[in-house]
Amino acid sequence: EDQVTQSPEALRLQEGESSSLNCSYTVSGLRGLFWYRQDPGKGPEFLFTLYSAGEEKEKERLKATLTKKESFLHITAPKPEDSATYLCAVQSTSGTYKYIFGTGTRLKVLA
Amino acid sequence: NAGVTQTPKFRILKIGQSMTLQCAQDMNHNYMYWYRQDPGMGLKLIYYSVGAGITDKGEVPNGYNVSRSTTEDFPLRLELAAPSQTSVYFCAIATGARETQYFGPGTRLLVL
Repeated sequence: EDQVTQSPEALRLQEGESSSLNCSYTVSGLRGLFWYRQDPGKGPEFLFTLYSAGEEKEKERLKATLTKKESFLHITAPKPEDSATYLCAVQSTSGTYKYIFGTGTRLKVLA
Repeated sequence: NAGVTQTPKFRILKIGQSMTLQCAQDMNHNYMYWYRQDPGMGLKLIYYSVGAGITDKGEVPNGYNVSRSTTEDFPLRLELAAPSQTSVYFCAIATGARETQYFGPGTRLLVL
């Protein structure tokens, strides 16, 4: 069964303290892996799409990487405005259109 | 929110009542999706549509119905509201099956 697990569930960082969020996945074949940011009371906001192992994408303080079993979202020198829930989703090659979402990592960056 | 609007933002329903959650897009994307998000759970797909007149079930379709008469609109219908349908509902759009999905702002529904 296709599955996505995100860790940790919650993370508190001091401003400037770099860290990484993990997204482990099990799918029959990976069509794509997606990272979203979600602020309280808002819809998920698209960050990155990764399609193959070894691929990396960057945006400001965020960098997403992908292996055959997991993806990491690296946050370098975070700021309080980076506080949000980060969601990971995968889409398999099994023929359906659905995304399989993880439960997210709640990030809090303290000033 | 990527050209996706959802109404209402918040609604309280009594058990057994019905309502329609509206989703509209101005991006001319063919693919549209309805998800629900419960606390501590990942988003779950309710229904999706690959174009006007074509809809199909997702993971958790029971208790819901959809229609897609136009490219722009994809309403979600709850016929007999139950407390288990208390959730936040998100509509999403995409240009294709493999393409990135973009989400609306959500509708928070409370069934009492």
